[in-house]
Amino acid sequence: NAGVTQTPKFQVLKTGQSMTLQCAQDMNHEYMSWYRQDPGMGLRLIHYSVGAGITDQGEVPNGYNVSRSTTEDFPLRLLSAAPSQTSVYFCASSYSPWISTDTQYFGPGTRLTVL
Amino acid sequence: EDQVTQSPEALRLQEGESSSLNCSYTVSGLRGLFWYRQDPGKGPEFLFTLYSAGEEKEKERLKATLTKKESFLHITAPKPEDSATYLCAVQAGDQGAQKLVFGQGTRLTINP
Repeated sequence: NAGVTQTPKFQVLKTGQSMTLQCAQDMNHEYMSWYRQDPGMGLRLIHYSVGAGITDQGEVPNGYNVSRSTTEDFPLRLLSAAPSQTSVYFCASSYSPWISTDTQYFGPGTRLTVL
Repeated sequence: EDQVTQSPEALRLQEGESSSLNCSYTVSGLRGLFWYRQDPGKGPEFLFTLYSAGEEKEKERLKATLTKKESFLHITAPKPEDSATYLCAVQAGDQGAQKLVFGQGTRLTINP
């Protein structure tokens, strides 16, 4: 198993550009989520999905879109990048979204800089 | 609002010098408290889940404990390879699906 994979590892965007951060898992996990990590702020939940076709907002959803067409993939879209979206983005997954204490496994992260 | 606070922000120890990291929390009904380790440039790596006050879990030189208001990560006789940022997160009881709330982390450095 590759676990949770994310691409790209690094990305630089200009303000107003759009891009998609890719996340995939090969563990047949139902639950997938996106977090951003900023210095001194800890990890904050952006969006999450409890299964294919079902997504919901987390703590900081503004400026981001998600969709979940398959169990394996959960892409994060920035429609019009802003400097405030400069951060490290982590994707995570777990087996069951309804076992609230199920372990979440994290990907290696994407470091995004918006100029 | 659910909150998690970790202290200290940074800790520097000599190899073999034991210490503890603190994670204090205020949540509406704790379902679980998680500890993760994060190396520079990597994603968080799961260490422990604690469910109820009084529970303890151990892994090599690490032991995690839980009370009704806080959790401690005790590090016994640490080695340089234990250097990392340690993250604490909680899952509150009134959330349907998983929604972890993370603390800011403690950056631990072990000098040889």
